[in-house]
Amino acid sequence: GAVVSQHPSWVICKSGTSVKIECRSLDFQATTMFWYRQFPKQSLMLMATSNEGSKATYEQGVEKDKFLINHASLTLSTLTVTSAHPEDSSFYICSAIERSYGNEQFFGPGTRLTVL
Amino acid sequence: AQSVSQHNHHVILSEAASLELGCNYSYGGTVNLFWYVQYPGQHLQLLLKYFSGDPLVKGIKGFEAEFIKSKFSFNLRKPSVQWSDTAEYFCAVNAPNDYKLSFGAGTTVTVRA
Repeated sequence: GAVVSQHPSWVICKSGTSVKIECRSLDFQATTMFWYRQFPKQSLMLMATSNEGSKATYEQGVEKDKFLINHASLTLSTLTVTSAHPEDSSFYICSAIERSYGNEQFFGPGTRLTVL
Repeated sequence: AQSVSQHNHHVILSEAASLELGCNYSYGGTVNLFWYVQYPGQHLQLLLKYFSGDPLVKGIKGFEAEFIKSKFSFNLRKPSVQWSDTAEYFCAVNAPNDYKLSFGAGTTVTVRA
């Protein structure tokens, strides 16, 4: 199946700093990727849709200036958490659409962000 | 917008027991339905999906799910679980031609050897 990777797998940062998380489709091209946030013992919440070569589409309630998304190539989308605060600590998961698999979403392993 | 509810937060059972996890969705139109599994420390994997056709869908690892349109349900079943089925299970839906998924809260399944 299609493989999606994320880097880093975990990161700890100080409050006020920015953190960049990468999402890569390793063996396919993905024009569309998604970013989710998962709180402990809760479901995945869609944050935004990342479209290659265009601006991301954010879900209601998600601050686009705080969560910057860049989808500069067909295999890479990045999520930058700007001026991170402890409440941004969470598990961030990306997924990518693989069109030859019937438009199935393949998920990355996630990135654990801890803001001190 | 769609919403998904999973009735069981945590299910504990013994090996060889049967498993059924409930999933109900609310949406007025046609939907695509999915069950994902997240094993400890691993990423989400697709167990099975329903787009159309036979409402009884068979997936990987011996799982199956039945779509009952009149009940807006898509329950997941496995006749005999194994210890390795210990994981978090998520039901999800989207509308046709809209790739955005709405997830349920998830059910933690613990299988005791």
